[in-house]
Amino acid sequence: DAKTTQPPSMDCAEGRAANLPCNHSTISGNEYVYWYRQIHSQGPQYIIHGLKNNETNEMASLIITEDRKSSTLILPHATLRDTAVYYCIVRVFKYGQNFVFGPGTRLSVLP
Amino acid sequence: KAGVTQTPRYLIKTRGQQVTLSCSPISGHRSVSWYQQTPGQGLQFLFEYFSETQRNKGNFPGRFSGRQFSNSRSEMNVSTLELGDSALYLCASSLHPDSGNTIYFGEGSWLTVV
Repeated sequence: DAKTTQPPSMDCAEGRAANLPCNHSTISGNEYVYWYRQIHSQGPQYIIHGLKNNETNEMASLIITEDRKSSTLILPHATLRDTAVYYCIVRVFKYGQNFVFGPGTRLSVLP
Repeated sequence: KAGVTQTPRYLIKTRGQQVTLSCSPISGHRSVSWYQQTPGQGLQFLFEYFSETQRNKGNFPGRFSGRQFSNSRSEMNVSTLELGDSALYLCASSLHPDSGNTIYFGEGSWLTVV
């Protein structure tokens, strides 16, 4: 699976959009970008995934650059409950359950 | 629909003992995987089961083992516990390992080895 690079930490004001970047310059054509988050002491929570088109669901939007070497997870109106570690994972879509988690980005939403 | 259920949530064991953790996947999910999370190593894949067969295994010693039952429920066992086995053990499930569906995690079992 391709390696990802994320900033170790970010702050965001409550009510503002949180934009979390992820670099995956070695991504290959059949690899998807997944985002999970982990709130303290809980299991990771699935957020969204995509291949090359931008994706949106009730939680977030995923913007993938045209060359697919980076992506941004957008939480449109961050709340205090969005404070968590966010993991960007790149992997082949059909490849079992072996997800490789990096250190992620610790997002702090500030009042 | 109920999520992934793990039991027990918290437990304390002594070095040298063994422990068994249980996982009930989301209804209809047939694939189960286990992860270990520690402050030093982060989230690491342990193993994956489908149709009662281990399909994939991470880089952990043989003291770590698991199994899956015909109803897709899974257990993992750690024998001869060491202090370094203290961790959050997470179970995840999906419909099928190669279906492309995402994996969904339980809340985990906190193991403390003293």
